[in-house]
Amino acid sequence: AQSVAQPEDQVNVAEGNPLTVKCTYSVSGNPYLFWYVQYPNRGLQFLLKYITGDNLVKGSYGFEAEFNKSQTSFHLKKPSALVSDSALYFCAVTPSGYALNFGKGTSLLVTP
Amino acid sequence: DTGVSQDPRHKITKRGQNVTFRCDPISEHNRLYWYRQTLGQGPEFLTYFQNEAQLEKSRLLSDRFSAERPKGSFSTLEIQRTEQGDSAMYLCASSAPGAGSPLHFGNGTRLTVT
Repeated sequence: AQSVAQPEDQVNVAEGNPLTVKCTYSVSGNPYLFWYVQYPNRGLQFLLKYITGDNLVKGSYGFEAEFNKSQTSFHLKKPSALVSDSALYFCAVTPSGYALNFGKGTSLLVTP
Repeated sequence: DTGVSQDPRHKITKRGQNVTFRCDPISEHNRLYWYRQTLGQGPEFLTYFQNEAQLEKSRLLSDRFSAERPKGSFSTLEIQRTEQGDSAMYLCASSAPGAGSPLHFGNGTRLTVT
């Protein structure tokens, strides 16, 4: 069985401060890990993925994520948050590289 | 890249009626996925196709749900005898060949069952 946990329903951060959105996973074998963002009234947009290689992956809009195999985590990070980063963020995992299993999402609110 | 297109954007139906949704994937993508999303939840996997073959179907998927992709291009998702619990956003996504290719999502079809 595979699962994704996003322990925080909401993350609040001031503009300019670093942000972290947490994700832990459970999957058999080596995981493919993804982050997606959903803005209001818009579809899910791909941010970044980890398949293999360097544990720190960089993606769109200045986001990055760190894969930690021992902690089975894949936290999303950004050094300096923008108000426009406010959105719903989803972590997803698949053991096969195809159908994704999503977490319940974390709402990020960046205040000016 | 015209993106994944879903039709209709909104559908309101009465309980017991059948509904059908259409998804047009990105043209060079061979895999097509259907998900369902309710408020406050992440997308829930329903089924996916590689070309015209339906490779995986969620065990949570009721027999009232059926999906087709007859020519390996567009896909339809039909819900028979709709129930109020079927009210949700139905999302379609497609991906290029190769494991780990990102899914590209459409804007979804919002179903309301009254």
